[in-house]
This record gives sequence, C-alpha cells and structure tokens, in this order.
Amino acid sequence: RKEVEQDPGPFNVPEGATVAFNCTYSNSASQSFFWYRQDCRKEPKLLMSVYSSGNEDGRFTAQLNRASQYISLLIRDSKLSDSATYHCVVNTLDDMRFGAGTRLTVKP
Amino acid sequence: DAEITQSPRHKITETGRQVTLACHQTWNHNNMFWYRQDLGHGLRLIHYSYGVQDTNKGEVSDGYSVSRSNTEDLPLTLESAASSQTSVYFCASSPGNEQFFGPGTRLTVL
Repeated sequence: RKEVEQDPGPFNVPEGATVAFNCTYSNSASQSFFWYRQDCRKEPKLLMSVYSSGNEDGRFTAQLNRASQYISLLIRDSKLSDSATYHCVVNTLDDMRFGAGTRLTVKP
Repeated sequence: DAEITQSPRHKITETGRQVTLACHQTWNHNNMFWYRQDLGHGLRLIHYSYGVQDTNKGEVSDGYSVSRSNTEDLPLTLESAASSQTSVYFCASSPGNEQFFGPGTRLTVL
C-alpha cells in the first residue's frame, strides 16, 4: 500500500464547476501537509499548505482530518488555467512523500 | 533573482556509464532534495541534505549518491546507469516546509 493515496483521476470538468480531490495517508506520525500543482512538463509548485483548522485561498479550500488521515482540496468556479496535476504531499519528520497526482482538465 | 537550476536539461546515456546531474540554488537554503518522477508514482525522494557535509538516503536511494561540499550545490551521481533509472529528475531546495523545485532533467538510459 502506498503511503499517500490520491484519487486516480483524470477529472474532466467544465469551466465554473466545483471539483474535489481526496487524499489519504498511512503514517499517523505525519506532521505537515501540502497540495502542490504541476503543469505539464513543468516542476511542481506549492499551491497551499493544509492545516487542521482548514484553510482557504480564494477559490481553493484545503481540509485535513488527522483522525481519518484524510486531506482534501476543493476548487470552486474552475478556470481553464486550473488544468494541471495536483499532488497531495505529506511530510513525516525527514521524509516527504508525494501522492501520484490527480490530473484535472477544465474545458470551455 | 534567486533561483534553482539543473543541468543538463536532457541527457541520453548508455547502461553502465556514470552520470552526474547538477543542481545549483542561489537562495542559500540549507535543505536540498533530489526526486525522480515516473508515471503512476508521483515524485519519489532519492536523497536529501540538511547542510554542508550532510547527506541522507530517501525512499529510492539504491544506485544513486550525492555529496554536499557547499550550500549552493547538490550533485546527483548514478554510479552505473541502468535502464530502470530512465526518468525525470527534480532537484528542490527549502528554507523550511515549502520546497522550491528546479526545472527538471530528463534522463534516458539506453
């Protein structure tokens, strides 16, 4: 079993749609959590950190449930520019683990 | 502007050859990392360093080595390249939690 599991995708949604990505992690000692975005043939870039209290950045909302070892990312009012692969990332002491990524395509 | 660079961007080599991929950052970050990215696996950590002379093995370190002689550079060496090491390699540096990634090196081992 992988340490970080994500929805396999791909997600194909129309502009304006709301889309949710889910992620589970297996190591209960994990300390910090992130969502990274990766455009095709580019490097990953930090989208947002994820906190237990939940956090929002514009159209993006991230949630963390430590008891269930579950992380989510909600994108509202999807834009064409949101098309990318989204990686769930879990940090446990010295070990950074990436999920395999979920590909999102937003269509006109 | 501070940045992180990788070279070469593309490399084709033969099985059994030694290959070194360069990573250079100008942010003066203590933490540096090397990952490989393959379809279906996301990014997997190869080696990392928390400062000069410090190196640590990651999830998939077999067949790879790194050295950290200064803050700016963390070269990744494949001692004897294998076809299974064909991949895209990303270097990253970090002041703490957030990691900043280089543009990647696409390595093909024939």
